[in-house]
Amino acid sequence: QSALTQPRSVSGSPGQSVTISCTGTSSDVGGYNYVSWYQQYPGKAPKLMIYDVSRRPSGVPDRFSGSKSGNTASLTISGLQAEDEADYYCCSYAGSYTFDFGTGTKVTVL
Amino acid sequence: QLQLQESGPGLVKPSETLSLSCTVSGGSISSSSHYWGWIRQPPGKGLEWLGSVHYSGSTYYSPSLMSRVTISVDTSKNHFSLKLTSVTATDTAVYYCATHLGDIVGGPFDPWGQGTLVTVSS
Repeated sequence: QSALTQPRSVSGSPGQSVTISCTGTSSDVGGYNYVSWYQQYPGKAPKLMIYDVSRRPSGVPDRFSGSKSGNTASLTISGLQAEDEADYYCCSYAGSYTFDFGTGTKVTVL
Repeated sequence: QLQLQESGPGLVKPSETLSLSCTVSGGSISSSSHYWGWIRQPPGKGLEWLGSVHYSGSTYYSPSLMSRVTISVDTSKNHFSLKLTSVTATDTAVYYCATHLGDIVGGPFDPWGQGTLVTVSS
């Protein structure tokens, strides 16, 4: 069991799109369609933004979308807004009732 | 709407046992459809899943911490608990409780408690 790999940071101007990658192995990301993404503001608890690779919980803006190809999942934020500046973590089911989180990505709105 | 709230000591001495509880409101911890989990985050670092439990008593642990972690459910108090033995400074973290949205197989974590900081220091 090991952490999934994410870029340390990504940035974009308001209105642009940014994509965060989450790379694992065939034992986690590549093996199951159970990737979720969380948004975390400083000092706050994480909030679920995407689950089952591409499903959005009620209340999450459709600017947030998820996808997966092989052992890499991605979160795309379209039409970037100032309020999207936060840390983002991916998480994947890793079999045998275990879960791996990603290393985390800081999104900066320029 | 489920709400979760962590509680417990904010300071634990090295080699001792960290004990936290998570109180569930807005629903019953005995719901067969819910699994309950613990996740931690060292200061300035990423998230780490510690383990999860079902009200029936079934437990699921991170392989890297399995030897030191125990998670249990108290249905009479509608809460579940975390015990982490033989702690060191590397166990200093914000500890979150959360519920799985759906089944333990793949179920994402939603909602989360607000988190509680536990510092390991003499």
